[in-house]
Amino acid sequence: NAGVTQTPKFRVLKTGQSMTLLCAQDMNHEYMYWYRQDPGMGLRLIHYSVGEGTTAKGEVPDGYNVSRLKKQNFLLGLESAAPSQTSVYFCASSWEFTYNEQFFGPGTRLTVL
Amino acid sequence: AQSVSQHNHHVILSEAASLELGCNYSYGGTVNLFWYVQYPGQHLQLLLKYFSGDPLVKGIKGFEAEFIKSKFSFNLRKPSVQWSDTAEYFCAVIPYNTNAGKSTFGDGTTLTVKP
Repeated sequence: NAGVTQTPKFRVLKTGQSMTLLCAQDMNHEYMYWYRQDPGMGLRLIHYSVGEGTTAKGEVPDGYNVSRLKKQNFLLGLESAAPSQTSVYFCASSWEFTYNEQFFGPGTRLTVL
Repeated sequence: AQSVSQHNHHVILSEAASLELGCNYSYGGTVNLFWYVQYPGQHLQLLLKYFSGDPLVKGIKGFEAEFIKSKFSFNLRKPSVQWSDTAEYFCAVIPYNTNAGKSTFGDGTTLTVKP
């Protein structure tokens, strides 16, 4: 099993450009999450999904959109990138959220110039 | 809203030294607690977790953590660290009876172990 995979691993954008980050999991997990990791701020939840076709806002959702059309995929979109969105983005998945650990992907390092 | 505080941002130890990383949370209700580790260049993985029962929980690679309810703390310990323990460590709190958006991670503690 590949676990949680993320595409791409690195990306450089110019301000105002758009892009989509893809997260895929092969563990049949219901829950999926997108986090951003910034120095000194730890992991902050952007959006999450509790099942196929559902999405919900996390702690820092502004500037991002998500979709979960298939159970195994969770897409994170930036419609108009800003330098403040320079970060490392992690996707995670879990069976459920209270008792089960989250499995993380390798991360996507995004730089917005 | 709950919060998680990891007081030590960067800890530097020599091999064989003992380790204790602090984690305090603020939330009035029942919580589940986790410690994750991120080795250089790798993704986060679970070290250990506490749900209920014995407040002293053991995880992988010789790590353990103690839940002290009265202090709202879940400190991570290891009696003797190795160079391979160099990593960033995150404490996470998930309250009961909430939604998945309430997962809260601490800011992380970077551990550097000198050989």
